[in-house]
Amino acid sequence: AQTVTQSQPEMSVQEAETVTLSCTYDTSESDYYLFWYKQPPSRQMILVIRQEAYKQQNATENRFSVNFQKAAKSFSLKISDSQLGDAAMYFCAYSQTSGSRLTFGEGTQLTVNP
Amino acid sequence: GAVVSQHPSRVICKSGTSVKIECRSLDFQATTMFWYRQFPKQSLMLMATSNEGSKATYEQGVEKDKFLINHASLTLSTLTVTSAHPEDSSFYICSASGTEKNQPQHFGDGTRLSIL
Repeated sequence: AQTVTQSQPEMSVQEAETVTLSCTYDTSESDYYLFWYKQPPSRQMILVIRQEAYKQQNATENRFSVNFQKAAKSFSLKISDSQLGDAAMYFCAYSQTSGSRLTFGEGTQLTVNP
Repeated sequence: GAVVSQHPSRVICKSGTSVKIECRSLDFQATTMFWYRQFPKQSLMLMATSNEGSKATYEQGVEKDKFLINHASLTLSTLTVTSAHPEDSSFYICSASGTEKNQPQHFGDGTRLSIL
């Protein structure tokens, strides 16, 4: 069974600084998808970024980028120029295909300090 | 973009009543819908997966007679919590995926269920 682990329950960053959230996963599959979701206090699930395992290039979305290390089964999220609105719970997730069931990590609560 | 509407957003009811939560895909055909449960400060746990026209597949430990899932059309899935008790109080969130290849799931806004 696939598992996703986020070892940082809480992280904090100063506004305008950069922060990296860690995620590791375990799977025996060679092709799969990895995601980072943001969940603000409203509890909406917002897709931040998605990575297809067969693509070697790291995904980027504006201030958000990932460091995907397939051999190490690591998928970290880097947030550059942190903004107050980035404060939220961040979940790393895995799925076999893009629209299939998601396995979530435990989450990392990010605080952005002004 | 694709939109999933989930209702109600908040429900408070007495112990012993049944509660129905609806999840609708507004602008795409949702061939598969997922139901998750989230306790405070915890992650999302998949409860069941439903495919249109088929019986739902429940995760281990989820009581199928307690959490009835219906996915009768390509735009609507419902979760009914039968004879709800305080321990069923939680945040329930649905998501849906369609026929387009490589498209991620789309989440509803969730339902906060409180059983008194």
